[in-house]
Amino acid sequence: GQQVMQIPQYQHVQEGEDFTTYCNSSTTLSNIQWYKQRPGGHPVFLIQLVKSGEVKKQKRLTFQFGEAKKNSSLHITATQTTDVGTYFCAGGLGKLIFGQGTELSVKP
Amino acid sequence: DADVTQTPRNRITKTGKRIMLECSQTKGHDRMYWYRQDPGLGLRLIYYSFDVKDINKGEISDGYSVSRQAQAKFSLSLESAIPNQTALYFCATSPQGPTFTDTQYFGPGTRLTVL
Repeated sequence: GQQVMQIPQYQHVQEGEDFTTYCNSSTTLSNIQWYKQRPGGHPVFLIQLVKSGEVKKQKRLTFQFGEAKKNSSLHITATQTTDVGTYFCAGGLGKLIFGQGTELSVKP
Repeated sequence: DADVTQTPRNRITKTGKRIMLECSQTKGHDRMYWYRQDPGLGLRLIYYSFDVKDINKGEISDGYSVSRQAQAKFSLSLESAIPNQTALYFCATSPQGPTFTDTQYFGPGTRLTVL
């Protein structure tokens, strides 16, 4: 079936280091959404990208949508302990398909 | 999001038992969803409903059923629970829009354990 693949599954960083998670689809996406789930919490919407090549920023977070609308990335600059959690991408493929998530841990 | 509530928050049950998970929302959204989360598998759609008279299967509906009792209420039932249905279950809502892919607002989740 249609899949949205997300890598890496886990990432451990030292506080202050950068972090990137990648999302890939074999078919063109209508849009891509990103969600954050804090430990013990529920997914919370971060952002949606719709246009080819779109880049959006939220403070230290940078979101990109690929030119072919088949991939996306989330980059966090200078991670903080408050960034801990699992980050999910969700691709629009007729319906919303979630990636497997990247679990980020930050060592102070 | 406090506008989407789920009950119970935790449940332990035995194989073969019937279980109902309930979801209520005050966001006024027409669309409601049930997802299941397993480690390493992300969120998988079980069922969804776009209005009170609309019920649709998601990618993993086998072993589950749903009921949309009102715009604000969407229940998920496991008719005869089995251990591999042990998971974290999320209800979500979204506003009516032109596509399926509108922003999802999740409830706090129900952790279900089937022994």
